[in-house]
Amino acid sequence: GAVVSQHPSRVICKSGTSVKIECRSLDFQATTMFWYRQFPKQSLMLMATSNEGSKATYEQGVEKDKFLINHASLTLSTLTVTSAHPEDSSFYICSASGTGEGVTDTQYFGPGTRLTVL
Amino acid sequence: QKEVEQDPGPLSVPEGAIVSLNCTYSNSAFQYFMWYRQYSRKGPELLMYTYSSGNKEDGRFTAQVDKSSKYISLFIRDSQPSDSATYLCAMSETGGGADGLTFGKGTHLIIQP
Repeated sequence: GAVVSQHPSRVICKSGTSVKIECRSLDFQATTMFWYRQFPKQSLMLMATSNEGSKATYEQGVEKDKFLINHASLTLSTLTVTSAHPEDSSFYICSASGTGEGVTDTQYFGPGTRLTVL
Repeated sequence: QKEVEQDPGPLSVPEGAIVSLNCTYSNSAFQYFMWYRQYSRKGPELLMYTYSSGNKEDGRFTAQVDKSSKYISLFIRDSQPSDSATYLCAMSETGGGADGLTFGKGTHLIIQP
């Protein structure tokens, strides 16, 4: 149990376009979802925290108008990178915590989405 | 000073050796400590989860937390080539998955056959 999926696993887009990344909890209810970003050889950095049905809370320095987060259901959160630029190229990873059979008191991570902006 | 310091390595050891991985931190409010394993271009996988100071053992893995020194360790016994990966320490002030985690940079571990 406690599986988190992400789609797409890899995306390449042109500068100025918007990209949507989906994060799904497959077998449990994710009351809280988190979005992280990881640059090469760097640690995962928390971008935002979202609770189902509420607005996301963004970390200092993360532009909420650029990184739109929607957590409309207990199994789905989306991150939209608007007007993407090459400096947004990174590995985006979501995680989820919640309730369900086999779910412990921690976060479960998705496999990540590698975004490349040309 | 960064909140969590972790030597990025790489750390290369022969198969069967005992591996010691460490992190130091500055925020005394951290109470929950985790170790994750991450393979290249994949999401992190939880290995160990501990609360406050003390030891926790799970198979070949032992996690130690010393809050007085703000120092945590992960020991891997009888290391295998399949253990080769990047190991990330992470911590939070509250548990229950309610707060985002603060990660170290990760230590790249190589187990030589």
